[in-house]
Amino acid sequence: GAVVSQHPSWVICKSGTSVKIECRSLDFQATTMFWYRQFPKQSLMLMATSNEGSKATYEQGVEKDKFLINHASLTLSTLTVTSAHPEDSSFYICSADSGYEQYFGPGTRLTVT
Amino acid sequence: SQQGEEDPQALSIQEGENATMNCSYKTSINNLQWYRQNSGRGLVHLILIRSNEREKHSGRLRVTLDTSKKSSSLLITASRAADTASYFCATGGRDDKIIFGKGTRLHILP
Repeated sequence: GAVVSQHPSWVICKSGTSVKIECRSLDFQATTMFWYRQFPKQSLMLMATSNEGSKATYEQGVEKDKFLINHASLTLSTLTVTSAHPEDSSFYICSADSGYEQYFGPGTRLTVT
Repeated sequence: SQQGEEDPQALSIQEGENATMNCSYKTSINNLQWYRQNSGRGLVHLILIRSNEREKHSGRLRVTLDTSKKSSSLLITASRAADTASYFCATGGRDDKIIFGKGTRLHILP
């Protein structure tokens, strides 16, 4: 089956620094990828839709200047959490749309100290 | 935004019993999917049911969809300890976004 990878799988950073998370579709091209955030014991909340070659579309309440998304190629989307704060600590999951189905990555756990 | 509401929020049953989880949603959909997530891990896709389907089976899983009531159910038969996890319904619409429900935490007691 199709595989989507995320890197890193976990990261710890200091408050005020920026962290970049990569989402790659390994065996298919994805013009659209999605980014989700999941707080402990809660559901996945859609943050934004990442479109190859164009600007991302953010869901209501998600700060686009804080969560920078770059979909530079058909197999890679990156999410950069800028000036991270402890409240940004969460599990970030991406998904990639193959045109037939969406495949989810394994997630990245971000801890901001 | 959150589309679906699952109930119950948490469910504990004895191993071997059947587990039923329900999901309600608000807007029209193209399909509905169920996912499993073990604690702190990624998602496992269980089953997809399209809006023109009413029931679907996969192994010990049975999913129903009632578009008139905007609801779906997931039945796990003959539960096992390994079924302990959180289960989410997720709806897909014309915009290709997948929106998740709040989830049910299922605990199978030995």
